[in-house]
Amino acid sequence: AQSVTQLGSHVSVSEGALVLLRCNYSSSVPPYLFWYVQYPNQGLQLLLKYTSAATLVKGINGFEAEFKKSETSFHLTKPSAHMSDAAEYFCAVSVGATGNQFYFGTGTSLTVIP
Amino acid sequence: NAGVMQNPRHLVRRRGQEARLRCSPMKGHSHVYWYRQLPEEGLKFMVYLQKENIIDESGMPKERFSAEFPKEGPSILRIQQVVRGDSAAYFCASSPGQNQPQHFGDGTRLSIL
Repeated sequence: AQSVTQLGSHVSVSEGALVLLRCNYSSSVPPYLFWYVQYPNQGLQLLLKYTSAATLVKGINGFEAEFKKSETSFHLTKPSAHMSDAAEYFCAVSVGATGNQFYFGTGTSLTVIP
Repeated sequence: NAGVMQNPRHLVRRRGQEARLRCSPMKGHSHVYWYRQLPEEGLKFMVYLQKENIIDESGMPKERFSAEFPKEGPSILRIQQVVRGDSAAYFCASSPGQNQPQHFGDGTRLSIL
């Protein structure tokens, strides 16, 4: 069975501070992993994806994530938070030959304090 | 390039009525997915469709809910005899193929009076 766990439903950081959003997955086969961001009253936008190439993945808006198989983790980071980063972030895993079903975490709400 | 288009953005129905949610995938995308998002929760997969075929409906409630993706026109998520518990945001996503990133619409927010 596949699943995603996001530790911390709410994270607050000061503007300019490091952003770290945690994601752990469970999968019996090599997964495809994704991070999405959702702004209020909008759909999800893809931040970055891991598809078994480089383990350190760079995405948009200065975000990056590192795939660590030994820890079954895919944490999202950004060196310096900006006010515009305040949003809901979702980690997702896609597995299997069909890869049709995405399993989403319950999300982490990021607040950036000026 | 138009993204995934969902309409209406907001839909209000009374208990017992029918709700129809529409989704036009991105150009060139033949895979469509529907998700439901409840307040303070993540997205829950409902159904995966390709043109004229339901591939995976393991997340769909057994009753009152149905989905289609006809050869021509948008994908439709249909909820019959709506109840208060159906109030949620319903998101559609599309992708060009398997294990490819899914591109999301802005959702339809369904409110049941």
